[in-house]
Amino acid sequence: GAVVSQHPSRVICKSGTSVKIECRSLDFQATTMFWYRQFPKQSLMLMATSNEGSKATYEQGVEKDKFLINHASLTLSTLTVTSAHPEDSSFYICSAPPPTGPEAYEQYFGPGTRLTVT
Amino acid sequence: GEDVEQSLFLSVREGDSSVINCTYTDSSSTYLYWYKQEPGAGLQLLTYIFSNMDMKQDQRLTVLLNKKDKHLSLRIADTQTGDSAIYFCAESMDSSYKLIFGSGTRLLVRP
Repeated sequence: GAVVSQHPSRVICKSGTSVKIECRSLDFQATTMFWYRQFPKQSLMLMATSNEGSKATYEQGVEKDKFLINHASLTLSTLTVTSAHPEDSSFYICSAPPPTGPEAYEQYFGPGTRLTVT
Repeated sequence: GEDVEQSLFLSVREGDSSVINCTYTDSSSTYLYWYKQEPGAGLQLLTYIFSNMDMKQDQRLTVLLNKKDKHLSLRIADTQTGDSAIYFCAESMDSSYKLIFGSGTRLLVRP
């Protein structure tokens, strides 16, 4: 099946700095990708929809100026957490819908990036 | 609104069946999913059911969908210690592929 990768898998940064997380579709093109956030012992919450060639669509309550999303190509979306604070520490997971075909029900998830802000 | 609820914790003995329940509020859901997440890991799709189905069986897994009550369940037969994980139900409401996840059920399988 299709594979989605994320980089880095883990990152520790100091409060006030910015960190970039990459999400790549490895063997298919994805015009849309999704970014989710999962706090410890909690569920996944959709943050935003990343659209290739246009602006991302953010869910209610998510600060677009803090979580910058760039969908630069059909295989890469990046999430930049700007001026990170300890409360931004979380597990960030991206996903991409499948290409059309018999597996159209399945969405492909990346392995996640654990961000720790000290 | 969109709200998917699950019980937080389930403990079973190895070899027994596990039943994890989920309730959702949006009747326009197209697909409903069950994902498994092991500690520190990403999501693994276990199974899914299309909204016009009542039941789906896949090896040890049985999914039941009651659209009238907006209730989804996952039954794991012959539960093994390797099944210990957090299980999330999720609904996809339209062709956008956005998923709304449940709160997750932590399954503990005792030897």
